[in-house]
Amino acid sequence: DTGVSQNPRHKITKRGQNVTFRCDPISEHNRLYWYRQTLGQGPEFLTYFQNEAQLEKSRLLSDRFSAERPKGSFSTLEIQRTEQGDSAMYLCASSPGGVNTEAFFGQGTRLTVV
Amino acid sequence: RKEVEQDPGPFNVPEGATVAFNCTYSNSASQSFFWYRQDCRKEPKLLMSVYSSGNEDGRFTAQLNRASQYISLLIRDSKLSDSATYLCVVNMNNYGQNFVFGPGTRLSVLP
Repeated sequence: DTGVSQNPRHKITKRGQNVTFRCDPISEHNRLYWYRQTLGQGPEFLTYFQNEAQLEKSRLLSDRFSAERPKGSFSTLEIQRTEQGDSAMYLCASSPGGVNTEAFFGQGTRLTVV
Repeated sequence: RKEVEQDPGPFNVPEGATVAFNCTYSNSASQSFFWYRQDCRKEPKLLMSVYSSGNEDGRFTAQLNRASQYISLLIRDSKLSDSATYLCVVNMNNYGQNFVFGPGTRLSVLP
């Protein structure tokens, strides 16, 4: 499978716990995005990497959220001290360089904080 | 004003109907535009890119009006399988770095 891969697909965690999600982009794509989506809403931009550099972060990304892409390949998104409001689908997407190229999405990680 | 706005929906139409979705964006410097389709509890998938001259792919036609900052999607002869949420997506800066999604418009095609 050469698409964007995300793990785990589902995560249930207790409030206050830390969680980490992984995204493996399409191998030749240098751009990687994280989005959050809640029911009935479109995906909301969280952060963006070009290779290993994190170039943009949304104000939605509080201090409890951190993302890395250490070697410019896979990326991780960590949420510390989870809150019930963090429950959402976390989507990763990748794209090659260029202005008019689309983003390809993984199947997402559904987080439920209880 | 939100960066990307769409018709609130939902749209419930009979099979065979023609349906049009509208989208407006706030950043006049936006460079690229897309329509994505999202099925329930699935990831968004590209339906079509939107070009200045307008483009058509089978039953789907996309139009872009840069002066009005307006994008549209027309679906002709709708099928049951077209039932989904349609997301308008805009790249908000000149470097193509930030895909901004609208809230989506839900379509239900009824038998």
